[in-house]
Amino acid sequence: EVQLVESGGGLVQPGGSLKLSCAASGFTFSDSAMIWVRQASGEGLEWVGRIRSKANNYATAYAASVRGRFTISRDDSKNTLYLEINGLQTEDTAVYYCARFREENSGYSDYWGQGTLVTVSS
Amino acid sequence: QSVLTQPPSVSGAPGQRVTISCTGSSSNLGSNYNAHWYQQLPGTAPKLLIYGDTNRPSGVPDRFSAFKSGTSASLAITGLQAEDEADYYCQSYDRSLGGWVFGTGTKVTVL
Repeated sequence: EVQLVESGGGLVQPGGSLKLSCAASGFTFSDSAMIWVRQASGEGLEWVGRIRSKANNYATAYAASVRGRFTISRDDSKNTLYLEINGLQTEDTAVYYCARFREENSGYSDYWGQGTLVTVSS
Repeated sequence: QSVLTQPPSVSGAPGQRVTISCTGSSSNLGSNYNAHWYQQLPGTAPKLLIYGDTNRPSGVPDRFSAFKSGTSASLAITGLQAEDEADYYCQSYDRSLGGWVFGTGTKVTVL
């Protein structure tokens, strides 16, 4: 059974930093591209970024709204995906989901974690 | 503001058919990038409903179907059930943005 479990969310002051984790199991993590998606309360889904597998040089891509502040990385030895967020702004307050990313058919996500809440407030 | 536009809400009585549109442009759906659909039940994570324009993952009822043509895609739910009450999102790739985008989302209400 595929499982994705996010952790690391919490209350952070504006300007602060946070590193989210996503523990994967039930599939060959090292062969899979992964993405992060966020959702502010009562709002829609926003694609944050993607990281490809080692075979694809761990290539990353980010939404324009987060580029330069967000960094996606992975540790295949731990089957874990990360999202490091710097310079947190109130508008970064959201539930952050990790998901496995299938790169065929223009790219889609077939498995999602339950999400972790990040709240940016003073 | 998303580049994929969906109606904010649609509703129907149990057993009826509802459709949700997803309108894009020449830089996403119109460039032959595939449309995908997700269902998000209240308080839960999104779930893949349709991939590659028309394909249902294993376990998704055949009451759900989808279609894509030109710069638009649509999701149809036939035989609407109370458990279908959720938010639905389309998703594709946008070459102008250089990344993936979700639609604005549609709330389906079962009357």
